[in-house]
Amino acid sequence: ETGVTQTPRHLVMGMTNKKSLKCEQHLGHNAMYWYKQSAKKPLELMFVYNFKEQTENNSVPSRFSPECPNSSHLFLHLHTLQPEDSALYLCASSADRGSGNTIYFGEGSWLTVV
Amino acid sequence: SQQGEEDPQALSIQEGENATMNCSYKTSINNLQWYRQNSGRGLVHLILIRSNEREKHSGRLRVTLDTSKKSSSLLITASRAADTASYFCATDRNQAGTALIFGKGTTLSVSS
Repeated sequence: ETGVTQTPRHLVMGMTNKKSLKCEQHLGHNAMYWYKQSAKKPLELMFVYNFKEQTENNSVPSRFSPECPNSSHLFLHLHTLQPEDSALYLCASSADRGSGNTIYFGEGSWLTVV
Repeated sequence: SQQGEEDPQALSIQEGENATMNCSYKTSINNLQWYRQNSGRGLVHLILIRSNEREKHSGRLRVTLDTSKKSSSLLITASRAADTASYFCATDRNQAGTALIFGKGTTLSVSS
């Protein structure tokens, strides 16, 4: 238990569906992240939030829409995804965005787009 | 963009042997971290080494950092079957307020 909880753990969705991934951290952290992990590829940083404000968007397609209502919660809204978007989506948090902070990861949400 | 790159991509050893994984990176860093990931799970932080440090220990883990060669190594001594996992190095980008950039990882398999 890392203090970062992701739901659902597994999600299968059609290309026309709209779904959301949820992340909650109980660590009192101020920075939250979405990473994407595909087979045989490095972890890809998608979004960074600091004190609820988005500070980084790594050229992520608009079919992925993040939302951070407060420092403890982070969502990733999904719509009209493609099969190549199937991957493990990892949420993470750290005390802040400063260098040297340990990043704490959730267990991930396995997404399959059919 | 990818910063760290681990070598080898896969490593198979017997219990009790030592496992060494290497990481090379491209640009200046403030610190380098190693993480572990069990199959299909989230990543877990192992150790952080700062750019002004050359070696750090934590239990059976030993990490070295050579900033002149832009490389780091992770040594796991007396490996156990439970050490089977993927290991990633991660770096910041030597700028304030940046997230970690991970390499592709080394998959370690320890057989009993």
